[in-house]
Amino acid sequence: EAQVTQNPRYLITVTGKKLTVTCSQNMNHEYMSWYRQDPGLGLRQIYYSMNVEVTDKGDVPEGYKVSRKEKRNFPLILESPSPNQTSLYFCASAPTGTGGSQYFGPGTRLTVT
Amino acid sequence: QKEVEQNSGPLSVPEGAIASLNCTYSDRGSQSFFWYRQYSGKSPELIMFIYSNGDKEDGRFTAQLNKASQYVSLLIRDSQPSDSATYLCAVAVRRTASKLTFGTGTRLQVTL
Repeated sequence: EAQVTQNPRYLITVTGKKLTVTCSQNMNHEYMSWYRQDPGLGLRQIYYSMNVEVTDKGDVPEGYKVSRKEKRNFPLILESPSPNQTSLYFCASAPTGTGGSQYFGPGTRLTVT
Repeated sequence: QKEVEQNSGPLSVPEGAIASLNCTYSDRGSQSFFWYRQYSGKSPELIMFIYSNGDKEDGRFTAQLNKASQYVSLLIRDSQPSDSATYLCAVAVRRTASKLTFGTGTRLQVTL
């Protein structure tokens, strides 16, 4: 089954404790992206990657890191999480040339206390 | 000014009616326009995309684009209760996969 998977789905952590949210897709898509979704603010893009070893900032990259060492994986790293990073996070992927026709993962709900 | 603006709703329409969802964008160079549907507690799923001025139809859905007015809309004909969801408008400056900017969404309620 073609899908984007994220782990963990739910995470409660404390301020400053480094964490990684994994994202993997099995559709051989070149493009991958991370978003956060907050009430009243909608979906905002954090980082995106056009292909392996190619990443770029979205609208809200502060406090986040990403890497794209393999085509299928695009982990999101919070090196020192803060309460304002409490949010619902989505990973998405798309084949190059399809613009915004993205496939979204199920989401990761992160709470930072 | 927000880059992509939508009325948050809720937009309430009776079953069988036409629902009209609207979106405006600020970047005149935008080239790709998308409508996603998001059910409560679920991830967004793509409904339609449109690149050129005019209408594009897919089943009960019609996307309309007017680049001169920087306006894109989604019409849902014969609305069903299962259409009740939040509809997200998204805009990209290129046709290839790139930075995508979403509106905050319009919540649609289809009543019996």
